Amino acid sequence: EAQVTQNPRYLITVTGKKLTVTCSQNMNHEYMSWYRQDPGLGLRQIYYSMNVEVTDKGDVPEGYKVSRKEKRNFPLILESPSPNQTSLYFCASSLAGVKGYTFGSGTRLTVV
Amino acid sequence: SQQGEEDPQALSIQEGENATMNCSYKTSINNLQWYRQNSGRGLVHLILIRSNEREKHSGRLRVTLDTSKKSSSLLITASRAADTASYFCATDEGGNTPLVFGKGTRLSVIA
Repeated sequence: EAQVTQNPRYLITVTGKKLTVTCSQNMNHEYMSWYRQDPGLGLRQIYYSMNVEVTDKGDVPEGYKVSRKEKRNFPLILESPSPNQTSLYFCASSLAGVKGYTFGSGTRLTVV
Repeated sequence: SQQGEEDPQALSIQEGENATMNCSYKTSINNLQWYRQNSGRGLVHLILIRSNEREKHSGRLRVTLDTSKKSSSLLITASRAADTASYFCATDEGGNTPLVFGKGTRLSVIA
């Protein structure tokens, strides 16, 4: 089944403890992107990637890192999480030029 | 940067009625898309309309695009309780520009 898989679905962590949220797609998509969704603010883009080894900042990149070493994987790294990074995170992917995104099921992160 | 702005923020209708949601955006676009999100879940792509198209249909969905007014509308006909969700428009400016989402319209369809 064509899908974007995020893990974990839920995560509670403490301030400052490094964490990684994984994202993997099996559709050979070039584009991948991370969004965070907060009440009243909608979806805001954190980072995106046009292809392997090509990443760019979105609207809210501070406090996050990404890498794109393989086409299928696009992990989101929080080196030192803070409570203001408590949010619902989504990974998405699409074919180049088509732009209909396929979304993962989301990761609900709580930083205490 | 938030590109699309949906209107209204929330909409409540009876089952069987039509639901219309609007989206306005600021800059020139290549494509405009609509997505649905059930509570707390991932977004699902509904329909894409290109900047040179004016109207598109998919089942009970009808999307219009007016590039002169920088606006789009999503019409859901004969709504069902299962249509209850948030609906987002998203735009891109072509080339390698990313997809930018609005804040969404929360639709409630009452049985």
